Amino acid sequence: QSALTQPASVSGSPGQSIAISCTGTSSDVGGYDYVSWYQQHPGKAPKLMIYDVNKRPSGVSDRFSGSKSGNTASLTISGLQAEDEADYYCSSYTSNNPPWVFGGGTKLTVL
Amino acid sequence: QVQLVQSGAEVKKPGASVKVSCKASGYTFTKYLIHWVRQAPGQGPEWMGVIHPNGGSTLYAQKFQGRVTMARDTSTSIIYMELNSLRSEDTAVYYCAREGAERAVPNKRFDYWGQGTLVTVSS
Repeated sequence: QSALTQPASVSGSPGQSIAISCTGTSSDVGGYDYVSWYQQHPGKAPKLMIYDVNKRPSGVSDRFSGSKSGNTASLTISGLQAEDEADYYCSSYTSNNPPWVFGGGTKLTVL
Repeated sequence: QVQLVQSGAEVKKPGASVKVSCKASGYTFTKYLIHWVRQAPGQGPEWMGVIHPNGGSTLYAQKFQGRVTMARDTSTSIIYMELNSLRSEDTAVYYCAREGAERAVPNKRFDYWGQGTLVTVSS
């Protein structure tokens, strides 16, 4: 069982927007602005899409955005494209050991 | 360009040990922390530990304390992760991941990942 809670699946049609939630506690998501989101295609390594709650690495589309309220972080993908279909994982730094925790992942299906 | 290249897949029997390597290139090896993260089939990632290539200091997840060892070879820019007393629940893809840094300060995000190493534990 993962430390951070994500919905198992979300879906949307091309061009639509979707949001994926990531719920933790005051010891992780709520306590630090070190929430990251990773995209993972089948058989591939995770790719950093969002860091520090709402920042994008160079080269990541501005269709990806992040936010946080209390103990819940969210990833929003606007203008869905077929290549966005993947698994998405949230991660947060924590005050405990282990100092990094992940969510169980959300499978995004582009209809 | 930054690359982390891991060793190949392993099949081990319960009780055995496995050693996975991660060769870094394209950046100054000693300036960035390297983490190990594993992902069991159909599950989310799980953080195992971190090593600082400059000095070799380590921090392990409590869950793996006593069973995992991380080491580095600065002459070859290779990081090693050894897991002992393997059991079936250790079957997973093991990744090394670099933690980025800004002005030599780790920035709490994993910006580059290795391709993963599948470790299968089966009798």
